[in-house]
Amino acid sequence: SQTIHQWPATLVQPVGSPLSLECTVEGTSNPNLYWYRQAAGRGLQLLFYSVGIGQISSEVPQNLSASRPQDRQFILSSKKLLLSDSGFYLCAWTGQVVSPLHFGNGTRLTVT
Amino acid sequence: DAKTTQPPSMDCAEGRAANLPCNHSTISGNEYVYWYRQIHSQGPQYIIHGLKNNETNEMASLIITEDRKSSTLILPHATLRDTAVYYCIVRAPNYGQNFVFGPGTRLSVLP
Repeated sequence: SQTIHQWPATLVQPVGSPLSLECTVEGTSNPNLYWYRQAAGRGLQLLFYSVGIGQISSEVPQNLSASRPQDRQFILSSKKLLLSDSGFYLCAWTGQVVSPLHFGNGTRLTVT
Repeated sequence: DAKTTQPPSMDCAEGRAANLPCNHSTISGNEYVYWYRQIHSQGPQYIIHGLKNNETNEMASLIITEDRKSSTLILPHATLRDTAVYYCIVRAPNYGQNFVFGPGTRLSVLP
């Protein structure tokens, strides 16, 4: 069966520091991969999605970036974190056609 | 923007059926209806999805109206653990079509 791993579970980083969040999917090939963010008390905002290695689409302009170096690996990065980057970051995957979206357990990021 | 409209909150008594409505009046012919829920501090959990026929699984039932402009998620015997935010999403199974989450319905199951 397919599983999605996301780490770390929690992270506290100072303003201006770099960020790297990693997500991997097991048990499937060529998944569509997503990064969402949820600010405290708010809804889910789609940040990036990828339909293949090296193919990244950005939904909102910001100081975050995403990369997909391998088929089942998706990385969210920032060179310099802002206070407004605090939130709950969720990685998700879906197969092709009508497959539902499946989420990881998320990373709670606090920028201080 | 989300293509669905849901009530912001609902209450349900424990052990009773919870019926969560969703309006998607502009749904296209190839768009599916998906339901998710999010329990506090966790990632959203997939519940069920359908195109035009009613669907049932171990978690819930999905009733889609004949004109497909609305649907209802039914939790047949709500428990306290069903307290969560429930999201209704419509999505076409095409390249570039993403899952757009609206604010959802906050369901409170009361003892």
